[in-house]
Amino acid sequence: SVLTQPPSASGTPGQRVTISCSGSSSNLGTNYVYWYQQLPGTAPKLLIYGNNQRPSGVPDRFSGSKSGTSASLAISGLRSEDEADYYCAAWYDSLSGWVFGGGTKLTVL
Amino acid sequence: VQLVESGGGFVKPGGSLRLSCAASGFIFSDYYMSWLRQAPGKGLEWVSHISSTGYTIYYADSVRGRFTISRDDAKNSLYLQMNSLRAEDTAVYYCARDWIPAAGLPNFDYWGRGTLVTVSS
Repeated sequence: SVLTQPPSASGTPGQRVTISCSGSSSNLGTNYVYWYQQLPGTAPKLLIYGNNQRPSGVPDRFSGSKSGTSASLAISGLRSEDEADYYCAAWYDSLSGWVFGGGTKLTVL
Repeated sequence: VQLVESGGGFVKPGGSLRLSCAASGFIFSDYYMSWLRQAPGKGLEWVSHISSTGYTIYYADSVRGRFTISRDDAKNSLYLQMNSLRAEDTAVYYCARDWIPAAGLPNFDYWGRGTLVTVSS
């Protein structure tokens, strides 16, 4: 994948976990990062857009940040229902298209 | 907002399929729309998007020249014509509501449930 994410992450209920996303100057370096959550067997859901904006209905336990060519998603107060796959994405100028990370499977222990 | 994909199925390599996405609950003609896909057990891949006017269209390198995106605002519908299909095109195909890219807007803010395309001999 053009964007690099760790394949897995884990935490216990109530804990704070972060998921990283690394790109290049042609994507994350110049464009916004997006995060999508995909619960098992369902379609993806927009979690964070514009680096750190939450759509209505997304709890403030989820937060996003970006610095240079790297970004991260933080989930505080971890809950069992947060167990899902998380994907980062960004617009890639030279490809004139969207690129995604390979996804991070979050396990709540 | 509701997006419902249809048209998936089983096709042999080299064959064609046309996917449809019926939209409701929003003013379809005001929005960009995109197709994305997810191969079995794999991650997400953006396939194509079309602007609200239909004048701006982009494709992923993996499908350019084989797939064609289109829209019919009178029918609130998005389409994906897929030709010269390959085994690696096997995936669940999702349509998603979209916005102008790289503007910090909530791109892919609504998704359909997807339709499965299987390419195999």
